[in-house]
Amino acid sequence: AQTVTQSQPEMSVQEAETVTLSCTYDTSENNYYLFWYKQPPSRQMILVIRQEAYKQQNATENRFSVNFQKAAKSFSLKISDSQLGDTAMYFCAFMKPYNNDMRFGAGTRLTVKP
Amino acid sequence: NAGVTQTPKFQVLKTGQSMTLQCAQDMNHEYMSWYRQDPGMGLRLIHYSVGAGITDQGEVPNGYNVSRSTTEDFPLRLLSAAPSQTSVYFCASSDRTSGSYEQYFGPGTRLTVT
Repeated sequence: AQTVTQSQPEMSVQEAETVTLSCTYDTSENNYYLFWYKQPPSRQMILVIRQEAYKQQNATENRFSVNFQKAAKSFSLKISDSQLGDTAMYFCAFMKPYNNDMRFGAGTRLTVKP
Repeated sequence: NAGVTQTPKFQVLKTGQSMTLQCAQDMNHEYMSWYRQDPGMGLRLIHYSVGAGITDQGEVPNGYNVSRSTTEDFPLRLLSAAPSQTSVYFCASSDRTSGSYEQYFGPGTRLTVT
């Protein structure tokens, strides 16, 4: 079974600065999808960004970008120009296509300080 | 378009009682899943479905049953509640045909078993 590891339980960053959240995963698959989800205090899960393993180009969504290192099985999230609204739990997730079996890491609690 | 809805939002059960958590989606998604979220452990997959009539076990299926008689509904049954099942439960759906595999989450149900 695939495992996802987030080694940073908590992180903090000053408003307007950049922060990187780490994620590693273990799989023998060649084709898969990786995700970062955000969970604010409201508890709602919100997709931040996704990456398809067969695409070498790193995904970007506005202030959010990833560093996808397939050989190293690493998938880090960079948040630029951090905003107070970025304060949340962030979860890394792995999924094989076509079987709907998604596995999550334990999460990183990010606090953006004014 | 309500997205993914879950009922109830909160529930308190006594040990040994049974109940059903309801989940419905109006996006015609083939994939649906149930997760539980415990402090410090992220989301763990309980059961999932890739279409009406098709279900499979995730990481932590013991003590739970599911069925999928329609595309829209995916109820989760607790057979005999135990304190270890105290958790927040999330239902999610995704659109296989889009190829994105993004999971759309419901608002969650907080369950306490005493």
